[in-house]
Amino acid sequence: DTAVSQTPKYLVTQMGNDKSIKCEQNLGHDTMYWYKQDSKKFLKIMFSYNNKELIINETVPNRFSPKSPDKAHLNLHINSLELGDSAVYFCASSQAQPEITGGYTFGSGTRLTVV
Amino acid sequence: QKEVEQNSGPLSVPEGAIASLNCTYSDRGSQSFFWYRQYSGKSPELIMSIYSNGDKEDGRFTAQLNKASQYVSLLIRDSQPSDSATYLCAVKGDSNYQLIWGAGTKLIIKP
Repeated sequence: DTAVSQTPKYLVTQMGNDKSIKCEQNLGHDTMYWYKQDSKKFLKIMFSYNNKELIINETVPNRFSPKSPDKAHLNLHINSLELGDSAVYFCASSQAQPEITGGYTFGSGTRLTVV
Repeated sequence: QKEVEQNSGPLSVPEGAIASLNCTYSDRGSQSFFWYRQYSGKSPELIMSIYSNGDKEDGRFTAQLNKASQYVSLLIRDSQPSDSATYLCAVKGDSNYQLIWGAGTKLIIKP
């Protein structure tokens, strides 16, 4: 069974479109995250939810909106897509605080290409 | 701004040799340190965590932490071609739940 699953795996779309990425974890973890990894492999946190509550909201354009209907799900909606949004987006989860429990479990990633 | 720095590489090591990956961090108060491995086109996976000064061994992997010098390293003994990947160093950030990431070192093990 996949621990952290996100869909779709690939997403190619035109500028200006709105798209969503879904994430689900079956690990029973309390905290979920969205990360963006650019072409240089640099991982940058975007958002984090703990038990459906937003706890990390980094400097991200407000075109990006996370939504957590329950602690097992964290979705990412992106409005008015731009070329610079092209990247790999990773969902991750952790039990309580990752610095204590030993880090994150990542999903397989969504490669977003905006054309 | 807290930072984690790694040499981007690529670091080329012959098969069977020891691969040494280094990471420095700017926050002297950091307490938790992690090494992730990321194969091309795949997601990062946790391979080691270390919290205390000294060495921590897990199979062919050894993490080394020196808080006074603010560096953490990862040694891979008896390197295999399957170890070829990008290795990401991550350090606890200011806030709970958050890790600060290095840009990763690409490791190539040559048969």
